[in-house]
Amino acid sequence: GQQVMQIPQYQHVQEGEDFTTYCNSSTTLSNIQWYKQRPGGHPVFLIQLVKSGEVKKQKRLTFQFGEAKKNSSLHITATQTTDVGTYFCAGPSRGSQGNLIFGKGTKLSVKP
Amino acid sequence: GAGVSQTPSNKVTEKGKYVELRCDPISGHTALYWYRQSLGQGPEFLIYFQGTGAADDSGLPNDRFFAVRPEGSVSTLKIQRTERGDSAVYLCASSLIPQTGELFFGEGSRLTVL
Repeated sequence: GQQVMQIPQYQHVQEGEDFTTYCNSSTTLSNIQWYKQRPGGHPVFLIQLVKSGEVKKQKRLTFQFGEAKKNSSLHITATQTTDVGTYFCAGPSRGSQGNLIFGKGTKLSVKP
Repeated sequence: GAGVSQTPSNKVTEKGKYVELRCDPISGHTALYWYRQSLGQGPEFLIYFQGTGAADDSGLPNDRFFAVRPEGSVSTLKIQRTERGDSAVYLCASSLIPQTGELFFGEGSRLTVL
């Protein structure tokens, strides 16, 4: 079936270092969304990318959607302890746009 | 409140019992979703409502799981004859624009089946 895969599963960084997580879909996506889940919390929407090759920035976060609309990345510049959490990408199922398929997430820890 | 509200926040039950989990979406959001999240995993889609009807229930694992949204607002996820494998956090989300746009998640209901 349709799958969304993320790597790495875990990332430990020193505060101030950069961080990147990668997302790959087994099928072409109409859009991709990114969510952040703090420890003990619920997923919170970060951004949605729709266009092939799209790049969007939110302060220190840069999101990219691949040209083939099958992969995406999230890059955080100069991580801070507030960036700690699990980052998920999600894409709609081919059969049902209301069914978002989430990756397993990348858990980021930041050492002060 | 302004966010998605889920009750109970925690539920411990015994194997074989019946459980109901409730979700109150953001006012005005016509789309409502149920997801299940196990430890170390991403949210797993269960069912999606548009208004009162289930637009996609393909994620419900088996016929022990059922969800309703009779008036197009509050939804209840019902689990019959619970099994230990049903233990997870059940997340509810709503969205303003059906099928697209951001999902607003509730805090979740943690279900533990002993």
